[in-house]
Amino acid sequence: EDQVTQSPEALRLQEGESSSLNCSYTVSGLRGLFWYRQDPGKGPEFLFTLYSAGEEKEKERLKATLTKKESFLHITAPKPEDSATYLCAVTSGGYNKLIFGAGTRLAVHP
Amino acid sequence: SQTIHQWPATLVQPVGSPLSLECTVEGTSNPNLYWYRQAAGRGLQLLFYSVGIGQISSEVPQNLSASRPQDRQFILSSKKLLLSDSGFYLCAWSLRSYNEQFFGPGTRLTVL
Repeated sequence: EDQVTQSPEALRLQEGESSSLNCSYTVSGLRGLFWYRQDPGKGPEFLFTLYSAGEEKEKERLKATLTKKESFLHITAPKPEDSATYLCAVTSGGYNKLIFGAGTRLAVHP
Repeated sequence: SQTIHQWPATLVQPVGSPLSLECTVEGTSNPNLYWYRQAAGRGLQLLFYSVGIGQISSEVPQNLSASRPQDRQFILSSKKLLLSDSGFYLCAWSLRSYNEQFFGPGTRLTVL
């Protein structure tokens, strides 16, 4: 069964303290891996799409990487405004819909 | 650029009352459309998706239904709401089934 697991469930950082969020997946034929940011009471905001192992994408303080079994969202020198829930999702060859993980709640304190 | 709208933003309804949530997309043609529900502190649950007008696929058996009367309009309905229908309802669109999805602002539904 296709599955996406995110860790940790929650992460507390001090401003400027870099860290990484993990998304591990088991799917039959990965078609794409997606990262989203969700603020409380709002819809998820699209961040990145990764298609193949070794691919990397960056946006401001965020960098997403992909291997054959997992993806990392690296946050460099985070600021309080980076506080949000970060969601990971995948599509696979046998399933034409997104499968979401439960998310990582990130809190960045000044 | 593409924009997705949902309304209402919040809704409080009594148990047994009907429901109609609307979603519209601007700036694209023939999008795939999706309805999700997000319970408090939990992940996104796909409810329905549509690849074209009148084409609806249901993911979870329940007392909800969906319709797509126009290319860029997606409606979520219920004849009689249950307490368990409370949650945050999100509409999303994508160009193709394997592409990234873009989400609307959501509707917070409380059933009392």
